[in-house]
Amino acid sequence: DAMVIQNPRYQVTQFGKPVTLSCSQTLNHNVMYWYQQKSSQAPKLLFHYYDKDFNNEADTPDNFQSRRPNTSFCFLDIRSPGLGDAAMYLCATSRAETRNIQYFGAGTRLSVL
Amino acid sequence: SQQGEEDPQALSIQEGENATMNCSYKTSINNLQWYRQNSGRGLVHLILIRSNEREKHSGRLRVTLDTSKKSSSLLITASRAADTASYFCATAYNNDMRFGAGTRLTVKP
Repeated sequence: DAMVIQNPRYQVTQFGKPVTLSCSQTLNHNVMYWYQQKSSQAPKLLFHYYDKDFNNEADTPDNFQSRRPNTSFCFLDIRSPGLGDAAMYLCATSRAETRNIQYFGAGTRLSVL
Repeated sequence: SQQGEEDPQALSIQEGENATMNCSYKTSINNLQWYRQNSGRGLVHLILIRSNEREKHSGRLRVTLDTSKKSSSLLITASRAADTASYFCATAYNNDMRFGAGTRLTVKP
């Protein structure tokens, strides 16, 4: 059974056109994460939510925002995508007490034309 | 934000051979994990080894950890074509988890 679900699997957007990626979870985990992974590189943490507490990584560009309306859902908003934002975006979840054991979704591959 | 560094970057072997991938890291850890990623897919957790453990097995996987050398290795025995994927190590310390750049393993049938 899918536990961390990302939609869509593939997303194409135009340069500068806002785009939203979505993640949902059935694990009831407190913490949700968004990672960006460019080709042949390590996943890079963008930010995470601990319940409703938003935690931004210091080097995450302002162009990236996130929303978590409830425990199950978390969204990644890219306000003005550039060509350099084309990547795989991975959502993950964890329990609060075991944050270094994370469960990943299948990812959304974003293309920017 | 990258912590672990895998080596080699790419590895190509024949089916049935063993594959060994290494990960080195720089700071303290609570545990080290290995993940697998098929092309264009998400990460799948393979195995976790705690900082006080030296070796762990799971099926055809064997992971070792040497905290004095700040290094870990992942051994896949009797490899199969279906093992073709990228393998990432991730170091965890307190609430922080960081990934290496991965080893791309190709197993030829």
